Amino acid sequence: QQQVKQSPQSLIVQKGGISIINCAYENTAFDYFPWYQQFPGKGPALLIAIRPDVSEKKEGRFTISFNKSAKQFSLHIMDSQPGDSATYFCAANAGGTSYGKLTFGQGTILTVHP
Amino acid sequence: NAGVTQTPKFQVLKTGQSMTLQCAQDMNHEYMSWYRQDPGMGLRLIHYSVGAGITDQGEVPNGYNVSRSTTEDFPLRLLSAAPSQTSVYFCASSYAYEQYFGPGTRLTVT
Repeated sequence: QQQVKQSPQSLIVQKGGISIINCAYENTAFDYFPWYQQFPGKGPALLIAIRPDVSEKKEGRFTISFNKSAKQFSLHIMDSQPGDSATYFCAANAGGTSYGKLTFGQGTILTVHP
Repeated sequence: NAGVTQTPKFQVLKTGQSMTLQCAQDMNHEYMSWYRQDPGMGLRLIHYSVGAGITDQGEVPNGYNVSRSTTEDFPLRLLSAAPSQTSVYFCASSYAYEQYFGPGTRLTVT
């Protein structure tokens, strides 16, 4: 069962544009929502994360928007750069004894053209 | 501080062979996990551990065994490899929410 659904599968944007990736979850026990960035041949690396007690978190050009009632969250990349070209995964975790259990979305391949 | 290390980086097996994927972390993290990554499916949890001596199954545990005898090491064993186990395998560790991933092992089963 896919408890976290991610879209789109792939995304092409021009340099300087805004990249938006969306995720929806089903399990209301989730209380931590990270985004991971993965470059070819590398392991995923944490990019930014949010807890459900806030609706938005911003770190530099990266922003997470969170809608608890809709059970949706999204990643916005402002002023997208060619170096942002990577695969992005949203994920969710229920915390506590589930700290080691991330549920991932299917991934989005982002290509930023110069 | 090496973080999470995995060996080997690449491996080719024949159907029916067995092998162990190694994972080690030097951050004294209690939580460790194994995921497999397949195109279009994201990462799926195979097994995880909440501390030495304690393991549990994830979403796709069939065909894999784990044990956790020390805090640092969390090996993943394939007892009888099948072509369906062709994938990229990632180990991760965490103190709490934030998981740190290793560089992965690319496994091909022919």
